[in-house]
Amino acid sequence: GNSVTQMEGPVTLSEEAFLTINCTYTATGYPSLFWYVQYPGEGLQLLLKATKADDKGSNKGFEATYRKETTSFHLEKGSVQVSDSAVYFCALSNGQAGTALIFGKGTTLSVSS
Amino acid sequence: NAGVTQTPKFQVLKTGQSMTLQCAQDMNHNSMYWYRQDPGMGLRLIYYSASEGTTDKGEVPNGYNVSRLNKREFSLRLESAAPSQTSVYFCASSERTGGTGELFFGEGSRLTVL
Repeated sequence: GNSVTQMEGPVTLSEEAFLTINCTYTATGYPSLFWYVQYPGEGLQLLLKATKADDKGSNKGFEATYRKETTSFHLEKGSVQVSDSAVYFCALSNGQAGTALIFGKGTTLSVSS
Repeated sequence: NAGVTQTPKFQVLKTGQSMTLQCAQDMNHNSMYWYRQDPGMGLRLIYYSASEGTTDKGEVPNGYNVSRLNKREFSLRLESAAPSQTSVYFCASSERTGGTGELFFGEGSRLTVL
């Protein structure tokens, strides 16, 4: 079946450090891939997405490239800020009507100044 | 612009009590979802409704029932609450299922079952 695996957290970084959060997936067909972010006390919100192989999603300085050959969608940011502290979820949609988004377990990022 | 509204935001129940979590969206979305979030388990789908008049089980449906009251509203009912149902519950909506569109989430409902 379809699934998403994220690196275990928490990830603790200093401000301006480089961030990578790994995400790999298992899916049939041609899935779309997403990163959602959850700030403390809030619901999830879409950070970025990619709908086909080799697409790069980007938003707020974050980037992720859809790599079909390695079934990966790693999240990166060149210089993190304290305000990036949050829980990050990788997610997959298999593109079939009547099916729901599948989420990874989430990775907690803590950035200190 | 309200988006997805959940009520209540906090609730404490005793084992065996029942309650209903309410969810409403004002974006004219076809699809609605209920997830629960637990430490170390991430977000798990309980039930979803692809369109008005339909509901389907997700990954963890046991102990829950849902009602898609109309296009706007999707409620989650716990008939006999158990401590294992202590969690944060999120309602979400989207234009449709299985697509590339965004899910919009409510702020969550924190439920404690004693």
